[in-house]
Amino acid sequence: NAGVTQTPKFRILKIGQSMTLQCTQDMNHNYMYWYRQDPGMGLKLIYYSVGAGITDKGEVPNGYNVSRSTTEDFPLRLELAAPSQTSVYFCASSYRGLSEAFFGQGTRLTVV
Amino acid sequence: TQLLEQSPQFLSIQEGENLTVYCNSSSVFSSLQWYRQEPGEGPVLLVTVVTGGEVKKLKRLTFQFGDARKDSSLHITAAQPGDTGLYLCAGEGRRGNYGQNFVFGPGTRLSVLP
Repeated sequence: NAGVTQTPKFRILKIGQSMTLQCTQDMNHNYMYWYRQDPGMGLKLIYYSVGAGITDKGEVPNGYNVSRSTTEDFPLRLELAAPSQTSVYFCASSYRGLSEAFFGQGTRLTVV
Repeated sequence: TQLLEQSPQFLSIQEGENLTVYCNSSSVFSSLQWYRQEPGEGPVLLVTVVTGGEVKKLKRLTFQFGDARKDSSLHITAAQPGDTGLYLCAGEGRRGNYGQNFVFGPGTRLSVLP
């Protein structure tokens, strides 16, 4: 009954450091997404994937990279952390595009 | 890119009161979704409305999709502290290389005081 699992839940990074946010789902969904949520701004799409090996940029992709080697996993990579990347990051999955999205619990990232 | 606006941005009410929150756009949507996000959690889908003029009820929550499919409302009757959270609406937005993705409104943050 896990659904979408994100790790870590919290992280503090120094400017210029890199890290990978992990996301895995056990619902066999083809579609997976990464969003960032800033206060009063709603959810902004960073990257999405429609299946293993297929990814595409969303609305705010700069400073991030993704890969999708398996159906289950969709990690998000930050190469050179900047203060503007301080946010809460959510991974989500869905059976198909524009259908119900299932979200993880989020990763709160602070870049100092 | 289609945009969604939500109002009010914040709402604080007493337990037992009724409230309505709104999701508006200048664009037409084929469907709209409503999510509720509790503190420290990800959003959870409440309902999807797909037909202009449609009304859906979920216990004390009533969702309506505008006739022109440009707006939606969520009405809560006799609010309870458990209704506290961020209410987000979402509709089809930007088209990527592999189809459209959702665009989310900024949300209405509801606080129901006991």
